[in-house]
Amino acid sequence: AQSVTQLDSQVPVFEEAPVELRCNYSSSVSVYLFWYVQYPNQGLQLLLKYLSGSTLVESINGFEAEFNKSQTSFHLRKPSVHISDTAEYFCAVSDVGYSTLTFGKGTMLLVSP
Amino acid sequence: EAQVTQNPRYLITVTGKKLTVTCSQNMNHEYMSWYRQDPGLGLRQIYYSMNVEVTDKGDVPEGYKVSRKEKRNFPLILESPSPNQTSLYFCASSREVPVYEQYFGPGTRLTVT
Repeated sequence: AQSVTQLDSQVPVFEEAPVELRCNYSSSVSVYLFWYVQYPNQGLQLLLKYLSGSTLVESINGFEAEFNKSQTSFHLRKPSVHISDTAEYFCAVSDVGYSTLTFGKGTMLLVSP
Repeated sequence: EAQVTQNPRYLITVTGKKLTVTCSQNMNHEYMSWYRQDPGLGLRQIYYSMNVEVTDKGDVPEGYKVSRKEKRNFPLILESPSPNQTSLYFCASSREVPVYEQYFGPGTRLTVT
């Protein structure tokens, strides 16, 4: 069975500082990995995903995540955050060939001026 | 506009009074799913459907029912709601199976007193 661990429930950071949100997963098979973002009072939106190929994936708004198979991790990074990045971020995993997504408990990114 | 809609957005009800939360998508997606979101627990899958007349249990199906009679609709039914079903509910749909990306509705906040 797959599972996802997001160790940090909340990450406070100042505007323009770098940030890393950590995600580790466990699975006995090959996986697809996702980061979803939830802005206040909204549903979730896909931020980026790893399916295959390059282990470094990027989003259109400057986030990136790197799939590390040996460490079973998929950490999310941004070199310089904005106030508008304040949101809850969810890591999710899906076993290849299966039909369900398992979400982590989420990390609240709080960006202050 | 491609979207997933849910109704109602907010609902306060009493224990034992049957209710239905509707979900509809206009993207001709095969896969649809219901999640509940609770503080500190992230998103947990209730039920999912891979196509019309095909439904399956997720991680927390107790107390819920679903049906998929049409491709676009996937209602969530609580036959006898209880206070522990107070939560934020999200419907989601996806183009393909296995799941590559899910599109989420805006959420339904349910309070059972």
